[in-house]
Amino acid sequence: DVKVTQSSRYLVKRTGEKVFLECVQDMDHENMFWYRQDPGLGLRLIYFSYDVKMKEKGDIPEGYSVSREKKERFSLILESASTNQTSMYLCASGPGGLKEKLFFGSGTQLSVL
Amino acid sequence: AQSVTQLDSHVSVSEGTPVLLRCNYSSSYSPSLFWYVQHPNKGLQLLLKYTSAATLVKGINGFEAEFKKSETSFHLTKPSAHMSDAAEYFCVVSDNEGGADGLTFGKGTHLIIQP
Repeated sequence: DVKVTQSSRYLVKRTGEKVFLECVQDMDHENMFWYRQDPGLGLRLIYFSYDVKMKEKGDIPEGYSVSREKKERFSLILESASTNQTSMYLCASGPGGLKEKLFFGSGTQLSVL
Repeated sequence: AQSVTQLDSHVSVSEGTPVLLRCNYSSSYSPSLFWYVQHPNKGLQLLLKYTSAATLVKGINGFEAEFKKSETSFHLTKPSAHMSDAAEYFCVVSDNEGGADGLTFGKGTHLIIQP
């Protein structure tokens, strides 16, 4: 079974802190994604990556950056956390192609105080 | 441009009765359509997908969906609800013409199963 592992299930940080969210997949997928999920808003794409060292902005990239130094790992970085970044963050990976399904991690619930 | 509308934010049914979760989409191209399910404290899992083959698509756990181009709909159904079906359901559209970011998620429907 494909596994997408997010390093933390729950995270509490203070305003202004730098936050790292880690995601690792074990199926050699080219594509990796970071979404945030908020009640009533569904999933919104923050950043995605087609390949190692490649990154593309999604719909809501402001306040975030990403890093993909290795194919299996995709990190989301909050440079200076703010309270409006309190959310559920979901990582996903996929083999490529828009007809292919995505595999999701269990999510990280981030609270910024 | 593409969009997807899930017509109900919450649906409540009794165990053993049919389930209907409604989804309408708009797309400039021939779309691919997906339904994902998210159980509490879990990631999203694919239920089924439509990619221009048969219009009636069967998925896991007894769910199915029918692609109706004339109505621009892709409603999810199940003949008999089970308590384990309680979850959040997302309809997703892909227009197949963009990059890997060309997925649009609906806002979700929360399915409640009454005993």
